[in-house]
Amino acid sequence: NAGVMQNPRHLVRRRGQEARLRCSPMKGHSHVYWYRQLPEEGLKFMVYLQKENIIDESGMPKERFSAEFPKEGPSILRIQQVVRGDSAAYFCASSPTGSGTDTQYFGPGTRLTVL
Amino acid sequence: AQSVTQPDIHITVSEGASLELRCNYSYGATPYLFWYVQSPGQGLQLLLKYFSGDTLVQGIKGFEAEFKRSQSSFNLRKPSVHWSDAAEYFCAVYGSGNTGKLIFGQGTTLQVKP
Repeated sequence: NAGVMQNPRHLVRRRGQEARLRCSPMKGHSHVYWYRQLPEEGLKFMVYLQKENIIDESGMPKERFSAEFPKEGPSILRIQQVVRGDSAAYFCASSPTGSGTDTQYFGPGTRLTVL
Repeated sequence: AQSVTQPDIHITVSEGASLELRCNYSYGATPYLFWYVQSPGQGLQLLLKYFSGDTLVQGIKGFEAEFKRSQSSFNLRKPSVHWSDAAEYFCAVYGSGNTGKLIFGQGTTLQVKP
């Protein structure tokens, strides 16, 4: 049973370019969460999605960041016009339901470096 | 607002020694609490979780944690540390409102001396 998959594992972008991060949840999981880990910091919640719906995007920056989880295919976190401050590790997690008693299973992360 | 504090940024222990990592939370209702471990360059792995019932919970890899409501704490313990336990440890609380989000502490980096 494959775990949460994220790709790419490492992504290098120049300032102003776009970054697309993909997350395939565990089989049977319909709830996806994105977290960002800045250097020397803990993980910060960004967005919570269910298939075709954004449930909570309270942690998303207001500009340049967007997320989707289509009916088919992986969840995508998109960062437009990247800046150096976007350099971080981005983790995706999935769970079977959105209940607080669910375990969130984390992927290996995408490490974004902005030059 | 909910928050989690891990007072120790770095801890060094000798192999075979006991370990306790501290975690304090701020939450109005009964919290759902988690400990995760992150090895370098890897994702997070769940060690254990507490929802209700017995306040001493057992996890994987020989770890346990004790929920103390009076102290708003959920400290992680292991009686004898192995070199492979060197990693970063995160305490987290489930945010209110059924939003699904976890609120993490800043993390504690554990170094194990031979």
